[in-house]
Amino acid sequence: KQEVTQIPAALSVPEGENLVLNCSFTDSAIYNLQWFRQDPGKGLTSLLLIQSSQREQTSGRLNASLDKSSGRSTLYIAASQPGDSATYLCAGGTSYGKLTFGQGTILTVHP
Amino acid sequence: GAVVSQHPSRVICKSGTSVKIECRSLDFQATTMFWYRQFPKQSLMLMATSNEGSKATYEQGVEKDKFLINHASLTLSTLTVTSAHPEDSSFYICSAVDLRAGGPTGELFFGEGSRLTVL
Repeated sequence: KQEVTQIPAALSVPEGENLVLNCSFTDSAIYNLQWFRQDPGKGLTSLLLIQSSQREQTSGRLNASLDKSSGRSTLYIAASQPGDSATYLCAGGTSYGKLTFGQGTILTVHP
Repeated sequence: GAVVSQHPSRVICKSGTSVKIECRSLDFQATTMFWYRQFPKQSLMLMATSNEGSKATYEQGVEKDKFLINHASLTLSTLTVTSAHPEDSSFYICSAVDLRAGGPTGELFFGEGSRLTVL
């Protein structure tokens, strides 16, 4: 059974800092790994998807990496902004679309 | 990108009543829809997998008679919380995917979520 863990649970940084969110998973037979953003009381916004054959994906200030052998993924956010404040969730996916979510990292970027 | 719509976004009901939540894929056909539940300050937990035209598959610990799921068409799945009680209050989110071409080749898209409050 896949288990996904995210560290840290919460992170508070000043604006402009580069930061890394960590995600680990127990089953290396992962089909893909996806990072989401969730604002309070809202649904999920997909940020980046990494297929099992890929090692990283980039979108703007975001970069996500995947290392299946070590069971880890990281989300790198460059030059953080207050608008980046949200909960970030990673999820490991199966070939039929089922996702197992981590507990999330609550990010606060203060001006 | 693909859009998944949920309705209603918020619902408040009295204990003992039933509530139906709809999940629609607006610009693609979804062979499979997933229903997740999220308690305050917690992550999403998969409740069930809904396949068009067949019975839903429920995760361990989820009462299928309590949470009725119907996936009658390739664009609509419904979750009905029967005889709702305060402990059913939660945020329910669906996701949809078309698996006819094989495994998901892109990210899964999620609905906006439905917040249920049972008084």
